[in-house]
Amino acid sequence: EAGVVQSPRYKIIEKKQPVAFWCNPISGHNTLYWYLQNLGQGPELLIRYENEEAVDDSQLPKDRFSAERLKGVDSTLKIQPAELGDSAVYLCASSLGGQGTGNEQFFGPGTRLTVL
Amino acid sequence: GESVGLHLPTLSVQEGDNSIINCAYSNSASDYFIWYKQESGKGPQFIIDIRSNMDKRQGQRVTVLLNKTVKHLSLQIAATQPGDSAVYFCAEKGQGVGNDYKLSFGAGTTVTVRA
Repeated sequence: EAGVVQSPRYKIIEKKQPVAFWCNPISGHNTLYWYLQNLGQGPELLIRYENEEAVDDSQLPKDRFSAERLKGVDSTLKIQPAELGDSAVYLCASSLGGQGTGNEQFFGPGTRLTVL
Repeated sequence: GESVGLHLPTLSVQEGDNSIINCAYSNSASDYFIWYKQESGKGPQFIIDIRSNMDKRQGQRVTVLLNKTVKHLSLQIAATQPGDSAVYFCAEKGQGVGNDYKLSFGAGTTVTVRA
């Protein structure tokens, strides 16, 4: 079974340009997460979806970041315009959903963004 | 606010030796912890978890110890192999409805296995 798929794996853009990342979660996983990981740091949650609903976007910088999961399956994360400080790895994760602490999150390989 | 952190950013270990990676957390109400392994160019991978009603849990070559008195978590890897070279993160899962899914990660420990 395929894991979480992300594309592109690498992206280099100039500042002020827009950029989008795509994620396809594990089949059947209702919960989808986008994380930001700075170099040498642990991942930080940006947004969590339950099906197509964004249930926690409190850490998403909404002035320049947006996300969608229109059909409750794959998702896109967009930055417009990108700034130098946005250079990082953007990770997508998914889980089955439902309450309880045993709900393991599976991570994709991430998209490494470099803003010049 | 709550934070999860690791004592040392790097660990160098001889192949075949045991490794111990430490993590301190600040939220005494935390009840669930996870260790992740992240290899270069990959996303974090689940290793082992532990609930706060336990003080020890064992997996294949890995053991997690939880000391709630001093809010300390450790990951022990037995007979460390070259494939164990990676960054290891401890993570704390939030409590309560809506917060059950939020993972708070520490900064990570980079483990390098020497041949």
